[in-house]
Amino acid sequence: DIQMTQSPSSLSASVGDRVTITCRASQGIRNDLGWYQQKPGKAPKRLIYAASSLQSGVPSRFSGSGSGTEFTLTISSLQLEDFATYYCQQHNSYPLTFGQGTKVEIK
Amino acid sequence: QITLKESGPTLVKPTQTLTLTCTFSGFSFSTSGVGVGWIRQPPGKALEWLALIYWDDDKRYSSSLQSRLTITKDTSKNQVVLTMTNVDPVDTATYYCARATQWLVLFDYWGQGTLVAVSS
Repeated sequence: DIQMTQSPSSLSASVGDRVTITCRASQGIRNDLGWYQQKPGKAPKRLIYAASSLQSGVPSRFSGSGSGTEFTLTISSLQLEDFATYYCQQHNSYPLTFGQGTKVEIK
Repeated sequence: QITLKESGPTLVKPTQTLTLTCTFSGFSFSTSGVGVGWIRQPPGKALEWLALIYWDDDKRYSSSLQSRLTITKDTSKNQVVLTMTNVDPVDTATYYCARATQWLVLFDYWGQGTLVAVSS
């Protein structure tokens, strides 16, 4: 199974900050990676697919990059509504695997 | 408009079999490439993928849970059923169903989730 490791597990940031979350795969997965945002009590929402393609309707302050084993999700200017937990997921091979999540909290 | 909704018991006893149903609308298994999967999330923990079934009846399972899971579909009813045998308290979680496609196996539409507790 491909292991997905996110860092950090949590972070505190202020509105307007630039935030970067990293996701590392235990083996190369090309760009077969997506990012999700999850708010408490809600289902995840897909933000990014193919590592860097923005899902329709997602604000442009979200961006993704990377290929192979290292990927990043960046929020260029954090907004109040962005405080949530973020997950990466690989779909290069089965079984599908998620990272352990990164919780973005208000500083 | 695409919607998915999970249904099933809220409480199951250890060693019993859990059966969950996902009923969806706005898309169909008659469409090439369509798939519906199950993902769970124990309270306060991360997402865990369980199983996925595609329009052509291709089925995929989590490595660690494969022996306990069965996923089936009813194309005429727009439903997907997941059964999990021999449940344990560690299976307590919110169970989500979600849509994916064979060429992009990321979940774009999700149900609201259903919380299942395993307890005697």
